[in-house]
Amino acid sequence: GDSVTQMEGPVTLSEEAFLTINCTYTATGYPSLFWYVQYPGEGLQLLLKATKADDKGSNKGFEATYRKETTSFHLEKGSVQVSDSAVYFCALSGNQGGKLIFGQGTELSVKP
Amino acid sequence: NAGVTQTPKFQVLKTGQSMTLQCAQDMNHEYMSWYRQDPGMGLRLIHYSVGAGITDQGEVPNGYNVSRSTTEDFPLRLLSAAPSQTSVYFCASSYGAGGLRDYGYTFGSGTRLTVV
Repeated sequence: GDSVTQMEGPVTLSEEAFLTINCTYTATGYPSLFWYVQYPGEGLQLLLKATKADDKGSNKGFEATYRKETTSFHLEKGSVQVSDSAVYFCALSGNQGGKLIFGQGTELSVKP
Repeated sequence: NAGVTQTPKFQVLKTGQSMTLQCAQDMNHEYMSWYRQDPGMGLRLIHYSVGAGITDQGEVPNGYNVSRSTTEDFPLRLLSAAPSQTSVYFCASSYGAGGLRDYGYTFGSGTRLTVV
């Protein structure tokens, strides 16, 4: 079945550092790909998405490009802030109707 | 717009007790799902529904029941609580096949359940 694999955390960065969180997937066909963010004590919020190969999703300075050749959707940000500290989840919506499949999440901690 | 509303926010149960976690959405979404979140395991799908009267099992359905009698509501029932069901539970909804592909799910704020 479909699956998502993320890099393990926690990831600790200094403010203004460059961020990459790796995400790879296994799916048949052409899934949609998502990044969600969860701030402490809250639910999940959609951060960005891409629905077809080579699409780039972007929001709040974060970007991710749908790479079908490498089955990847890595999350990047050029300069992180303390307020970006959260857990980030990669997810896909494939051919299994009604299901959104998540990776295990990556905790990001940004220090001043 | 309330979005996805989950109640209660916190609950402590004794082993063997039963309870229902409530989930309601006011967006006329066709799809609804229940996930549990455990440390280091991400979100795992418990049950999901693609419309009123239609439900199906996800990855970890054992010990849980659901029904979908209306579009708005999707309650999750714990039949006989066990310590292994201690977790944070999230309900989510989406417009349907196209909406899920284009926008993913909208999540509630969660229910933190402890079984002692």
